[in-house]
Amino acid sequence: DVVMTQSPLSLPVTLGQPASISCRSSQSLVHSDGDTYLNWFQQRPGQSPRRLIYKVSNRDSGVPDRFSGSGSGTDFTLKISRVEAEDVGVYYCMQATHWPPITFGQGTRLEIK
Amino acid sequence: EVQLVESGGGLVQPEGSLRLSCAASEFTFSSSYWMSWVRQAPGKGLEWVANINEDGSEKYYVDSVKGRFTISRDNAKNSLYLQMNSLRDEDTAVYYCARGEAADYWGQGTLVTVSS
Repeated sequence: DVVMTQSPLSLPVTLGQPASISCRSSQSLVHSDGDTYLNWFQQRPGQSPRRLIYKVSNRDSGVPDRFSGSGSGTDFTLKISRVEAEDVGVYYCMQATHWPPITFGQGTRLEIK
Repeated sequence: EVQLVESGGGLVQPEGSLRLSCAASEFTFSSSYWMSWVRQAPGKGLEWVANINEDGSEKYYVDSVKGRFTISRDNAKNSLYLQMNSLRDEDTAVYYCARGEAADYWGQGTLVTVSS
């Protein structure tokens, strides 16, 4: 199984400042079709998860452009250029390249300082 | 807009059974999408449970539920199901259905509590 490791697990950020979350996989997430199936999700308190980014760097519809995804192979990053109050929650990476099973990272809790 | 609405959760005793449903709307459920179940234990992270292909001929499960859970779908009813048997305490979680293996849309979840 592919193990997804996120860091940090807790991320206090000042409003208006940038934030960055790392996600590393135990093996390359490049699929045989050439795509990399690494997605990012946001879960606000009391809500269902919401996908933000798919295939490393593609923003989902309605996702603010302050969110961006990057990376390749085994190392990936979610960046928020300027954190807003509505960004509080837990962020998860997920790989859907080598499955079953589909696997998630442990989650990174973003809070406002 | 795509809607996924789960139902069927509740309190069940260990070794009991429960059937979850997910009603899908506002997209072509039958022909274009795998569907997934993902769960979240209280205060914990997300765990993929199972998924099923467009016509129900392929099904995959996380090891911890193999032989106990069965995923199915009824394309005529735009519905996804999860039959859960031999439930254990560790199956206590909110269960979400999600569209596709890439989970681009999620339902609101249904809580399953396994306790005596």
